[in-house]
Amino acid sequence: GAGVSQSPRYKVTKRGQDVALRCDPISGHVSLYWYRQALGQGPEFLTYFNYEAQQDKSGLPNDRFSAERPEGSISTLTIQRTEQRDSAMYRCASSLTPSWGTGGNTEAFFGQGTRLTVV
Amino acid sequence: GNSVTQMEGPVTLSEEAFLTINCTYTATGYPSLFWYVQYPGEGLQLLLKATKADDKGSNKGFEATYRKETTSFHLEKGSVQVSDSAVYFCALAGGTSYGKLTFGQGTILTVHP
Repeated sequence: GAGVSQSPRYKVTKRGQDVALRCDPISGHVSLYWYRQALGQGPEFLTYFNYEAQQDKSGLPNDRFSAERPEGSISTLTIQRTEQRDSAMYRCASSLTPSWGTGGNTEAFFGQGTRLTVV
Repeated sequence: GNSVTQMEGPVTLSEEAFLTINCTYTATGYPSLFWYVQYPGEGLQLLLKATKADDKGSNKGFEATYRKETTSFHLEKGSVQVSDSAVYFCALAGGTSYGKLTFGQGTILTVHP
């Protein structure tokens, strides 16, 4: 596709349920990032991948959160046993170059996000 | 660790007014600096960037200069339009955390006719 695509756009789930959020990056983009954005705040980094390898998961808040990108393209962010505090906008971004590239070229293109509400 | 601080909003201006949104950062090394914009109902879009000290990023009439001595990357526009109403985020990448963006909290800009 032309841009980063995320699905679903909106997800309402009951507390305790598991949810899976999908990100389809721009074709050919090596790096993929997940962010979480609370209302009125800037996005906060969760994790990122270069190709299929998860490079940094330091932003995942606890072990209920996990992410994978098995074939180096589509990624899934999974939240197990959801809690109300997990309610937020989850954003995915992709960039053409690997993060270890020179020149600081880490321009990231963002999807429209998935609005998760845990009730 | 890295951090970004933006001026608190919201900012309300009349059309054709001058805009400044302040941004300062903390990072080790030599980060790249960005301004992202989020228009109502849309996702984040890169507005401009600067990758080294004294670089000036510019786009759509907006400008920001990477000032290493003051660790700042203030966003400016000489004459705002109603269509510039959006949320603006300052961000950095690199330093000790290359490959991920650290964002400020965002500044809401509203421009009235």
